Amino acid sequence: GQQLNQSPQSMFIQEGEDVSMNCTSSSIFNTWLWYKQDPGEGPVLLIALYKAGELTSNGRLTAQFGITRKDSFLNISASIPSDVGIYFCAGHNQAGTALIFGKGTTLSVSS
Amino acid sequence: DAMVIQNPRYQVTQFGKPVTLSCSQTLNHNVMYWYQQKSSQAPKLLFHYYDKDFNNEADTPDNFQSRRPNTSFCFLDIRSPGLGDAAMYLCATSRDEHGEQYFGPGTRLTVT
Repeated sequence: GQQLNQSPQSMFIQEGEDVSMNCTSSSIFNTWLWYKQDPGEGPVLLIALYKAGELTSNGRLTAQFGITRKDSFLNISASIPSDVGIYFCAGHNQAGTALIFGKGTTLSVSS
Repeated sequence: DAMVIQNPRYQVTQFGKPVTLSCSQTLNHNVMYWYQQKSSQAPKLLFHYYDKDFNNEADTPDNFQSRRPNTSFCFLDIRSPGLGDAAMYLCATSRDEHGEQYFGPGTRLTVT
């Protein structure tokens, strides 16, 4: 089935550093969603994107819907220890209704 | 606050003993989903309800069933749990089938 390529798989950074992760697809997507999941908890929606080129911020987080509609990125500025977790990109393509997930980016932040 | 609630948070069952997980929502969303998530993997969709219409994913085993008695509640029934069914089970809701999905905190299922 449809796959999303999410990179990097993991990141180890120092507190205060900026972080960038991205997702790419071989097909056009209509929505891009970014989630954060803490251990033992469900994913929490961070940002939702619906239009090509859309740039949306949520506090220190910024995400963009790529112009080609085949990619999206998430940036985290000035990372803090509570940013630790797994970040998933997800989206709906034109083929169906199922939400397609990337494999996740595991973020570790050292203070 | 409007939310998605899952009970219990932790469930232990014996091999082959039927188990039911529950989900409720106060968002009044039309769509409710059940996902299975294993360690270090992305959530995997099992099935979803759009209102009362049930939509099963092609690769969901028959061992997994679901019920949605009303808008607010949805249940996941595992008829004969195997060791491979140990996982986190996530419920999610959305207003429609193409929108944002909101997840509950999950139920961690252990099969002994």
